[in-house]
This record gives sequence, structure tokens and C-alpha cells, in this order.
Amino acid sequence: GNSVTQMEGPVTLSEEAFLTINCTYTATGYPSLFWYVQYPGEGLQLLLKATKADDKGSNKGFEATYRKETTSFHLEKGSVQVSDSAVYFCALPSGSARQLTFGSGTQLTVLP
Amino acid sequence: ETGVTQTPRHLVMGMTNKKSLKCEQHLGHNAMYWYKQSAKKPLELMFVYSLEERVENNSVPSRFSPECPNSSHLFLHLHTLQPEDSALYLCASSQVPGVAGGIGADTQYFGPGTRLTVL
Repeated sequence: GNSVTQMEGPVTLSEEAFLTINCTYTATGYPSLFWYVQYPGEGLQLLLKATKADDKGSNKGFEATYRKETTSFHLEKGSVQVSDSAVYFCALPSGSARQLTFGSGTQLTVLP
Repeated sequence: ETGVTQTPRHLVMGMTNKKSLKCEQHLGHNAMYWYKQSAKKPLELMFVYSLEERVENNSVPSRFSPECPNSSHLFLHLHTLQPEDSALYLCASSQVPGVAGGIGADTQYFGPGTRLTVL
């Protein structure tokens, strides 16, 4: 079935630093790809998504490009803020009911 | 209320208790999901309901019993749990096009979760 491999954490950055969190996938066809974020004490929130190859998803200064050549969907942000501290999950649909399969999550801590 | 709501937000129970978790979605979706999130582990899918039929049961112990009375409500009934069942239980919903189990997943929207502690 479809799967994702996500960069291990934790990641600690200073405010205004550049962020990259790597995500690679294995899939049949070209499914939609997702990044979710989980802030402390909360559920998962959709951060961005891309529905086909070469699409770029973006939200809140975060971007990720669906690259079929490298089977990747890396998350980037040019200048992180303390409020970006959270756990980030890469995901894609799989299984008979097309439920989402998630990566292991990457803990990001941004220091002032 | 909007989105996906879950109650209670926190639950402490003994191993002999029976309790239920409730999830309600206000998005008009036709699929609902239960996930378990334990410390240091990836998110685990537990159950999927599509068009109110269970289409996935991910080898979950029988002490967890789901119920989906309609497309807006999802319950997780708990009985004789173990301490290792302590976790954050997340509910999600999505709009899946086509028939039950059909191709074409859409975005899943999550509730805030129920933090369960089993003593």
C-alpha cells in the first residue's frame, strides 16, 4: 500500500531561520499529498495539500511541492516563528477506504 | 458549533469501567474515522465508517467498540481497558466521493481529541 517516510526529529531552530522537513512517499498512481500540523494539546489541522504532480500547496508561509520525479513533498518555510512550534505530519491516502496514512511526525521547536 | 467536536476532552477511567467517547461532525461529510495517538508512536488508524458502514477495522482489540448511528455522529465504546490504552483518541471526517470504500480520498478534518488515561 501507499506509505510515507518523514524526516526524524526533533528539529530546533532559531526564530527567522529557514525550515525544511523532508517527506518522501511510495504510492500507486498520483494520490493527493498532505501536511498536517498539531499544536500542543490539540488535534491535527490541515496545513496544506497538493492534489497532483507539480502542484504547490501553501499556507501561513509554508510551502510544499508535489514532485513525482523524486517522490517527495518536502515542507519549507523561509522564516519560522516561535508560534510555529508544533508537530508536523506528512500524509497520503491508502487502504480500501482511502484513509490517510501518516508519517511519524516531526517535532519542531523554534526558539526566540 | 463548526467542524469536528469531541467529548469529553479528558477522561480518566479504571480498568473495570465502561465509558464512551463521542464525536460529531458539522461538515456534511460521509466518512468518519477513529485514530489512536500514543506517545512516541505514529498515528494508528482504528476504525473507518463510510456512508455509515464500517469499512475498516484495523485489528483493534474487542474492548474498543465503535458505533456510527448516522453520518454526523461516531462513538467509541470502551470497556475493560488496559493501562497501555492510555492515549489521545482523535476523530476525523472527510467527504469520500462515490460508493462506500470508493476511490478518491479528500481532506480529513480532525477534532481536538480525547485524552484518555486508564488507571
